[in-house]
Amino acid sequence: NAGVTQTPKFQVLKTGQSMTLQCAQDMNHNSMYWYRQDPGMGLRLIYYSASEGTTDKGEVPNGYNVSRLNKREFSLRLESAAPSQTSVYFCASTPRGGNTEAFFGQGTRLTVV
Amino acid sequence: KQEVTQIPAALSVPEGENLVLNCSFTDSAIYNLQWFRQDPGKGLTSLLLIQSSQREQTSGRLNASLDKSSGRSTLYIAASQPGDSATYLCAVTKTTDSWGKLQFGAGTQVVVTP
Repeated sequence: NAGVTQTPKFQVLKTGQSMTLQCAQDMNHNSMYWYRQDPGMGLRLIYYSASEGTTDKGEVPNGYNVSRLNKREFSLRLESAAPSQTSVYFCASTPRGGNTEAFFGQGTRLTVV
Repeated sequence: KQEVTQIPAALSVPEGENLVLNCSFTDSAIYNLQWFRQDPGKGLTSLLLIQSSQREQTSGRLNASLDKSSGRSTLYIAASQPGDSATYLCAVTKTTDSWGKLQFGAGTQVVVTP
């Protein structure tokens, strides 16, 4: 049972480059989320998708876009990477919003130079 | 704005000692609180989920309590083992949010020495 799968695991970008982080879950969950984790800070929500076909901003959405491609997949795009976006990115999912435990992927470690 | 705090940031205990991890939050209007474990370079694993109507949850050696009125939760790990070494994070969901957006503390890094 794969759970939540993120690709790639590691990435180095130059300032101004673009890239898409991929996330897929095989648990038939309705809600999906993107968080970033920085040293000394807790995870912060970037974007979320309550259900297929909907997306909404979280706490730190600037510089990012998302696409809920289908029920399984939720991608995060950096259009023009900046050093401030150097972070570890986590995708998560829940069966139906906030009443159940969240399942996390293994993370993508992104460095922008 | 909800703030979630975990103190201490790091903790080292000898094997066999009980672990006590603290989590405090400023807004008591929470839907639920979760405790997670994170191993180095890995994702988060949910340990316990406490609904706002509950006072505690137990799973094996783990017990988590919730006191909404004082804005506190405590995670107890009995008879700690070296395999318990990890970072433990707590996170809350607001009452007004049914979509499961989590507000995290910065975590407590635990080292259990043999």
